[in-house]
Amino acid sequence: DADVTQTPRNRITKTGKRIMLECSQTKGHDRMYWYRQDPGLGLRLIYYSFDVKDINKGEISDGYSVSRQAQAKFSLSLESAIPNQTALYFCATSDLPGQGVTGELFFGEGSRLTVL
Amino acid sequence: AQSVTQLDSQVPVFEEAPVELRCNYSSSVSVYLFWYVQYPNQGLQLLLKYLSGSTLVKGINGFEAEFNKSQTSFHLRKPSVHISDTAEYFCAVSEKGGKLIFGQGTELSVKP
Repeated sequence: DADVTQTPRNRITKTGKRIMLECSQTKGHDRMYWYRQDPGLGLRLIYYSFDVKDINKGEISDGYSVSRQAQAKFSLSLESAIPNQTALYFCATSDLPGQGVTGELFFGEGSRLTVL
Repeated sequence: AQSVTQLDSQVPVFEEAPVELRCNYSSSVSVYLFWYVQYPNQGLQLLLKYLSGSTLVKGINGFEAEFNKSQTSFHLRKPSVHISDTAEYFCAVSEKGGKLIFGQGTELSVKP
């Protein structure tokens, strides 16, 4: 089983619908992140959470919300989806940088969302 | 706030030729630097990282990168590429202890 699991892997929806993307991890990391990938724009940070009680906006948080239900679970919601939210979404985790720990990211396999 | 610029969006190269993928960053504090690779239809995996110490770091699959503090660069190199190196490569920076910010990506296309 993958260390970082995203569901669904593919989703097609219509404008105005509410969508939730879920992420769960078995790495025991405190930190979790949501990025979106668009061609030519790389990965852009949407939200991140450094522990269960900590939620932070990233570069492009407008139109999105998140919920950190537990250390292992971090969900991304689109309350009213619009076509320009069509993208590949990645969840990632990292440990707290410190002695011998770099804070590198471990990624899920991505969730491809299409908004019509 | 930190930022990353990958100077080439696409790099075509012939098999067995050398390649360099360029990355520049900006930050007002010390940073960690990373290169990730994304093969077609897959997630991202770590290629190599610079934390401190030697400015030349070696990663998987024969790749290496050199940290140049004065030029704020972290270019990725490989002396001889293979068809299997065809992928998208992302440079990323984190201000120590903080979130990772990624560059726009460079598509490496290796031709026979």
